[in-house]
Amino acid sequence: DAGITQSPRHKVTETGTPVTLRCHQTENHRYMYWYRQDPGHGLRLIHYSYGVKDTDKGEVSDGYSVSRSKTEDFLLTLESATSSQTSVYFCAISEPGQGEDNEQFFGPGTRLTVL
Amino acid sequence: GESVGLHLPTLSVQEGDNSIINCAYSNSASDYFIWYKQESGKGPQFIIDIRSNMDKRQGQRVTVLLNKTVKHLSLQIAATQPGDSAVYFCAEVTSGTYKYIFGTGTRLKVLA
Repeated sequence: DAGITQSPRHKVTETGTPVTLRCHQTENHRYMYWYRQDPGHGLRLIHYSYGVKDTDKGEVSDGYSVSRSKTEDFLLTLESATSSQTSVYFCAISEPGQGEDNEQFFGPGTRLTVL
Repeated sequence: GESVGLHLPTLSVQEGDNSIINCAYSNSASDYFIWYKQESGKGPQFIIDIRSNMDKRQGQRVTVLLNKTVKHLSLQIAATQPGDSAVYFCAEVTSGTYKYIFGTGTRLKVLA
């Protein structure tokens, strides 16, 4: 299994509080992604990174920010959590040119509940 | 691990039979199409991909077919096994963007 961990694995928080989710990889992959997964929507891309300090928005980026200060860590921050951000969050990594070009490796997920 | 939500389209297949999972995609400009498998409580796992200039690609026990005319992708699993029970997602991506767009998924149930 690719070395990807997510922390925390579960979190319950209140509306209006800041939340930071961490994705850590040991594979030295260049690309890292944050997705959310909700019933009826599949996986939706929030933000992704193509290198240290290089990030871009996905299709559902409103209300989220990210940072990547080093290759192995990609942080997702909800500045002021809302109930609509209750979801399961997945981190993924990829390295085009290694193995299958489009192969993404996913972490185990974080279940976030915003009350 | 974390689990996928309920209310997905479900395909039930007898063990040993072949399975066909279908997907409609949206972007004519997508260069690659990918199939993922997600088991209960886990993150998605890459199965196989296909370039837009191909119409068929085979892997181990799996075949992906691409019909660009009707924007349709299918995943065929030969001799379906209990371990194939999972949710299957298709995804599309345009080269250079790395913005993957996922479908909503299909649950495959393998009946013993």
